[in-house]
Amino acid sequence: GQNIDQPTEMTATEGAIVQINCTYQTSGFNGLFWYQQHAGEAPTFLSYNVLDGLEEKGRFSSFLSRSKGYSYLLLKELQMKDSASYLCAVRDGSFNTDKLIFGTGTRLQVFP
Amino acid sequence: NAGVTQTPKFRILKIGQSMTLQCTQDMNHNYMYWYRQDPGMGLKLIYYSVGAGITDKGEVPNGYNVSRSTTEDFPLRLELAAPSQTSVYFCASSTTGTSSRYPFGPGTRLTVT
Repeated sequence: GQNIDQPTEMTATEGAIVQINCTYQTSGFNGLFWYQQHAGEAPTFLSYNVLDGLEEKGRFSSFLSRSKGYSYLLLKELQMKDSASYLCAVRDGSFNTDKLIFGTGTRLQVFP
Repeated sequence: NAGVTQTPKFRILKIGQSMTLQCTQDMNHNYMYWYRQDPGMGLKLIYYSVGAGITDKGEVPNGYNVSRSTTEDFPLRLELAAPSQTSVYFCASSTTGTSSRYPFGPGTRLTVT
């Protein structure tokens, strides 16, 4: 089975840095995704890690450690528009399938 | 490319009614998925399909049915709607390989009263 954990809520100040952690236990691991979801909207892709290490993309970076079952999303120079939910999802490639299993999401509030 | 499209955007059903949520993708993706998202929660996988004619259950399949007669379309059928099925439903698609980003449709907001 799969188990994906991430904090329910976080708060931060505009201009600051915030790190959202995700731990997982899953069979057939084939990569980890981070999505951003604004209220009332569909999730949008942020990052995908399949190998260990840090992937940097502008203000957002994502890290993966497969041996520890751990990932984090790092958001720098926070802006008010970064207030959203951030969803960690594991790509399960077991039994010749290819599906995303999501955690419950972390709701981030950015204050001025 | 329109990507992943869903209809309707909103729907109110009475208990016991049935309906079909439509999902279409124009990217020739072989995999398609249906998720539901309850308020303040993450996404739960209902059903998925690895290609036309092949479907399988996800984490929360009870009360739903799917079919996949074409690569493009993956409708989700609700029979005998119940209040517990009040949720936002998202469709997504993907292709094999590390480049896939699993684009999502805009969602269908369903209320069962």
